[in-house]
Amino acid sequence: EAGVAQSPRYKIIEKRQSVAFWCNPISGHATLYWYQQILGQGPKLLIQFQNNGVVDDSQLPKDRFSAERLKGVDSTLKIQPAKLEDSAVYLCASKAASIKNEQFFGPGTRLTVL
Amino acid sequence: SQQGEEDPQALSIQEGENATMNCSYKTSINNLQWYRQNSGRGLVHLILIRSNEREKHSGRLRVTLDTSKKSSSLLITASRAADTASYFCATDEGAQKLVFGQGTRLTINP
Repeated sequence: EAGVAQSPRYKIIEKRQSVAFWCNPISGHATLYWYQQILGQGPKLLIQFQNNGVVDDSQLPKDRFSAERLKGVDSTLKIQPAKLEDSAVYLCASKAASIKNEQFFGPGTRLTVL
Repeated sequence: SQQGEEDPQALSIQEGENATMNCSYKTSINNLQWYRQNSGRGLVHLILIRSNEREKHSGRLRVTLDTSKKSSSLLITASRAADTASYFCATDEGAQKLVFGQGTRLTINP
């Protein structure tokens, strides 16, 4: 089966600019996650969707970050305006509705804010 | 918030040796998982151990869980160069949400 797809793989922007990331989860996976991974750290959950509804966005900086999952499939994560500290890898993951809690990760988008 | 704390932060061993990584956590869990991340890639699920299990094996991987000490260990036997990666423990806090630790960077020297 095809894995989680993300684009772009790399993005360089200047501070105060806007940027958007796209994620296509594994077909049939109802749950979708966006994580932020700062260099040298573990992934930190930003937002979790169940179908097209938000389950948890408690760690999403809502003044500048937004995410949507229209139609319960693809998802986009946007940062507007970007700050230097937003430089990180943004990982998308998806999970099937099963007992096991295994998540499947995409390759990530590496964002550099100058 | 980061729940798991991996130890050591970095580990360098010779090919063929065994590698042991430890993870400590703070709250009650449903299960604990280990993931591997190769440089520049996403995370790959390795193994899941439930809170009522004490030990689990998968190939060259052995995971233990001690809920009384809130700790887990990942043992990789007969290491290979391809095992060079970062390894993360992740605790299931319910509602299908995982909380990852800081990771252990493992380097296997040929």
